[in-house]
Amino acid sequence: GENVEQHPSTLSVQEGDSAVIKCTYSDSASNYFPWYKQELGKRPQLIIDIRSNVGEKKDQRIAVTLNKTAKHFSLHITETQPEDSAVYFCAATASGGSYIPTFGRGTSLIVHP
Amino acid sequence: NAGVTQTPKFQVLKTGQSMTLQCAQDMNHNSMYWYRQDPGMGLRLIYYSASEGTTDKGEVPNGYNVSRLNKREFSLRLESAAPSQTSVYFCASTAPGQAYTFGSGTRLTVV
Repeated sequence: GENVEQHPSTLSVQEGDSAVIKCTYSDSASNYFPWYKQELGKRPQLIIDIRSNVGEKKDQRIAVTLNKTAKHFSLHITETQPEDSAVYFCAATASGGSYIPTFGRGTSLIVHP
Repeated sequence: NAGVTQTPKFQVLKTGQSMTLQCAQDMNHNSMYWYRQDPGMGLRLIYYSASEGTTDKGEVPNGYNVSRLNKREFSLRLESAAPSQTSVYFCASTAPGQAYTFGSGTRLTVV
């Protein structure tokens, strides 16, 4: 089955810095890669996603890049703000089969004012 | 549009008690899931239902049962709660190849 590794487990940055979270996956059949943000005490919510036919996708201060050859994808947050502090999860899934995504273990991002 | 509705939000059980966590979605999704979330462990799949009438075990099914009551509803039952089942439980639903929509979670404490 699919295996998703996520690094780092904790990331501490100063407000205004950039943050990068990386995930690697093992199954070349995976073709959909969502990222979720979970604020303290809240549910995980989708913030951005990318499909395997695209190399990069941006939405304001966040972007995701995908390298299919190397089987890794990354979340980039620029100009971080304290409200970006949360746990971020990556996931990988294939459009065929049972559609169950495999999640990374999560990255706790702390943005210091 | 409520999305995924989960009840209850909080629950305290004594060891050996039973309870059912309820989940309903109004997005006409075929697939529904139950996860537990523990500190440092990420999201672990308990059971899932790929479509109405089917259920399958996930990564950590022991001590749990599920029922896919209809397309909208997917319940999780703890028959004899144990302290190791203290966790936050999330229900989710999805369409094929799409992102999850999660419920708001149930914080369960077993004493």
